[in-house]
Amino acid sequence: SAVISQKPSRDICQRGTSLTIQCQVDSQVTMMFWYRQQPGQSLTLIATANQGSEATYESGFVIDKFPISRPNLTFSTLTVSNMSPEDSSIYLCSGGQGTGELFFGEGSRLTVL
Amino acid sequence: GESVGLHLPTLSVQEGDNSIINCAYSNSASDYFIWYKQESGKGPQFIIDIRSNMDKRQGQRVTVLLNKTVKHLSLQIAATQPGDSAVYFCAENNGQGGKLIFGQGTELSVKP
Repeated sequence: SAVISQKPSRDICQRGTSLTIQCQVDSQVTMMFWYRQQPGQSLTLIATANQGSEATYESGFVIDKFPISRPNLTFSTLTVSNMSPEDSSIYLCSGGQGTGELFFGEGSRLTVL
Repeated sequence: GESVGLHLPTLSVQEGDNSIINCAYSNSASDYFIWYKQESGKGPQFIIDIRSNMDKRQGQRVTVLLNKTVKHLSLQIAATQPGDSAVYFCAENNGQGGKLIFGQGTELSVKP
């Protein structure tokens, strides 16, 4: 198993600003992913965080809006850029070995005013 | 497009009864399925998983059934307890790099 820590756990931001969320895994994982969960809804995959290279984004998500870094096997960041109220959501980091279960962090709850 | 969906958005059961949560998937190439439990304010927690070469798998008080013919997945919880109250998500891993595609979720409410 893997324990995933995210910070901040929550934040309130002004529109037009950017916020970077950090994700730390307590053991090496092959795969890391970022999901978004809007209030009362399911999880939607934003992108696969690739170690040492550009992330792979899902349809509807772009690098300019959600830049992602993954400098090593245990750490990743997601930035939400030029935020608007529509970006208010829970952002979840997950990791796994690519063969089954993904482990999730507790999420970062973002409110944009 | 590919999708994983749930039949019922909410389910209310009496404490001690059995619960059944259903899920439909559309990608016949999916070879791995998983159920997560998400309590308020927390991240999803693993409950049980199953691979496509199986049709049933049991855990502690939980059973997952997979019917590939009709692309249907279910989670059975025996002797449901108040602590089981949460949102339950099914997800599929269709082999595309380990990512999971999530269904819409079912909120389970257990009445004492």
